[in-house]
Amino acid sequence: AAGVIQSPRHLIKEKRETATLKCYPIPRHDTVYWYQQGPGQDPQFLISFYEKMQSDKGSIPDRFSAQQFSDYHSELNMSSLELGDSALYFCASNYGRGYEQYFGPGTRLTVT
Amino acid sequence: DQQVKQNSPSLSVQEGRISILNCDYTNSMFDYFLWYKKYPAEGPTFLISISSIKDKNEDGRFTVFLNKSAKHLSLHIVPSQPGDSAVYFCAARGLGNSGYALNFGKGTSLLVTP
Repeated sequence: AAGVIQSPRHLIKEKRETATLKCYPIPRHDTVYWYQQGPGQDPQFLISFYEKMQSDKGSIPDRFSAQQFSDYHSELNMSSLELGDSALYFCASNYGRGYEQYFGPGTRLTVT
Repeated sequence: DQQVKQNSPSLSVQEGRISILNCDYTNSMFDYFLWYKKYPAEGPTFLISISSIKDKNEDGRFTVFLNKSAKHLSLHIVPSQPGDSAVYFCAARGLGNSGYALNFGKGTSLLVTP
């Protein structure tokens, strides 16, 4: 079965650079969630989209923005990167904002 | 503030025995609770869930119990197998500030020894 696809899987950036993470949800899923997991931490909710509109907002810094496109894929744009942004970024998807979320493999971002 | 708490960072169990992973929560608005299993370098994989109106849900070797009055849930794995060794996250969905997003605990690392 098709799963959530995230790209890139690994990304190394320097401080103050920008990064774009991509998420391709499971086919027919219309809801995308972004989570950030720091070392030894639990995944923290950043932002979500339902039917291409922002649905909920969590602890997403103002330096980050995201959108969901017409094909339901989503991109997380991160600017003025800081060392503390180094983390695993997970994307999850489901249909109709159901309770069960399916996670991608994550993008490991390292900021040096 | 941490609304979902897993107070045991790690657990070691012998193969064939029962593994019990615990989770506490503070927000009575949560409507669904889920358990995810995570291997290194992979995303969390959904295991089992329970609605807030139920007190038990079973799926094969996995059973989740919910005690709403105590705001406590537990995941039972019987019998435990070495392949169950992973980090287990308890998560809760509440239609509060985070809407449909999941609130996670910090995880419990389960080691099943042969």
